[in-house]
Amino acid sequence: DAGVIQSPRHEVTEMGQEVTLRCKPISGHNSLFWYRQTMMRGLELLIYFNNNVPIDDSGMPEDRFSAKMPNASFSTLKIQPSEPRDSAVYFCASSPNLGGQGGASNTEAFFGQGTRLTVV
Amino acid sequence: EDKVVQSPLSLVVHEGDTVTLNCSYEVTNFRSLLWYKQEKKAPTFLFMLTSSGIEKKSGRLSSILDKKELSSILNITATQTGDSAIYLCSGTYKYIFGTGTRLKVLA
Repeated sequence: DAGVIQSPRHEVTEMGQEVTLRCKPISGHNSLFWYRQTMMRGLELLIYFNNNVPIDDSGMPEDRFSAKMPNASFSTLKIQPSEPRDSAVYFCASSPNLGGQGGASNTEAFFGQGTRLTVV
Repeated sequence: EDKVVQSPLSLVVHEGDTVTLNCSYEVTNFRSLLWYKQEKKAPTFLFMLTSSGIEKKSGRLSSILDKKELSSILNITATQTGDSAIYLCSGTYKYIFGTGTRLKVLA
């Protein structure tokens, strides 16, 4: 298995532009997570999907951020419009969901290699 | 509100030293405590702890969970420069992470 695949690996964009980050979870994994990592705030959970349904988006910082999971093998995180303070490394992770609805899983989460976003 | 708190935030030691990293958690529907190591790229999995008082070991690393105190520790003995990394802990079910402990091991 190729693991969790994220694209692009690096993205540099101008303030005000739309940014779309992509994630392909490990086949068979039911839960998918989007994180943002900065030096100041560490690894923050943005949103969490279970069986393609958003379960908790309380970590999404503003309405400028949106995430979708149209099917079990693909998810996107979109920022529109982007701002310099959005600059960070964005990680996607997946895990098999063994705990039923709500994803009370008892396994590790597997991370993609991340997308380094720079907004200038 | 669910939260995971790690201490210390950063630590500088010399090769051969032993370090103890701390993690405390308040997580709804807690199932397990995970430890990860992050070097330059993505976090890599170290341990999963589900039962209180049972130590897990991997080489020079060991970890234990205390469900009564809602905490866990990660011990690294005889540290090496290759142990330099950010160590993250997470409580499932939502896989919320602490801010991490940045460990630097000097030769």
